[in-house]
Amino acid sequence: GAGVSQSPRYKVAKRGQDVALRCDPISGHVSLFWYQQALGQGPEFLTYFQNEAQLDKSGLPSDRFFAERPEGSVSTLKIQRTQQEDSAVYLCASSLAWLADTGELFFGEGSRLTVL
Amino acid sequence: AQSVSQHNHHVILSEAASLELGCNYSYGGTVNLFWYVQYPGQHLQLLLKYFSGDPLVKGIKGFEAEFIKSKFSFNLRKPSVQWSDTAEYFCAVTSTSGTYKYIFGTGTRLKVLA
Repeated sequence: GAGVSQSPRYKVAKRGQDVALRCDPISGHVSLFWYQQALGQGPEFLTYFQNEAQLDKSGLPSDRFFAERPEGSVSTLKIQRTQQEDSAVYLCASSLAWLADTGELFFGEGSRLTVL
Repeated sequence: AQSVSQHNHHVILSEAASLELGCNYSYGGTVNLFWYVQYPGQHLQLLLKYFSGDPLVKGIKGFEAEFIKSKFSFNLRKPSVQWSDTAEYFCAVTSTSGTYKYIFGTGTRLKVLA
């Protein structure tokens, strides 16, 4: 597609449920990022992939969060045993560049997760 | 710690007023700087960026920003705002030393009254 596509756009989960959020980046983009955006805050880094390699997962808040990009294109962010504090918009971004010194991030519209 | 501060959280202006949104960063070493904009119901998109060279950079829709290294600032400006500029604006920074990590500010929500 022309842009970064994320699904679902909206997800309501009961506390304790597992959720999976999908990101389809722009074709050919090497770098893929996941960000978490809480209400009234800016995007906070979660994790970064370069092709299929997850080079940094330092931003994942707990071991309940897991991300993968097995074939270097589509990525999935999984949250196990969701908690209320996980409620946020999860943003996916991709970039053609390997590193930030040349790259512009292209964002998807986000997946809004509400945990009841 | 690496951080970006946007001091104005909400700004309300009338059409044709001038705009300046503040952005200050704390980041070791040389940096790349960005402004992203999110229009209502849309995704974040790049407004302008500074990598090197002329510290005054021009972006889309008449926006410009000035990098002042001594002040660790990258303020966004527009001489005359339009109703269609109503959006949320985010400043972001990365290091030039081969990193991928973008650090974002908390955003400034701009409302332009027609």
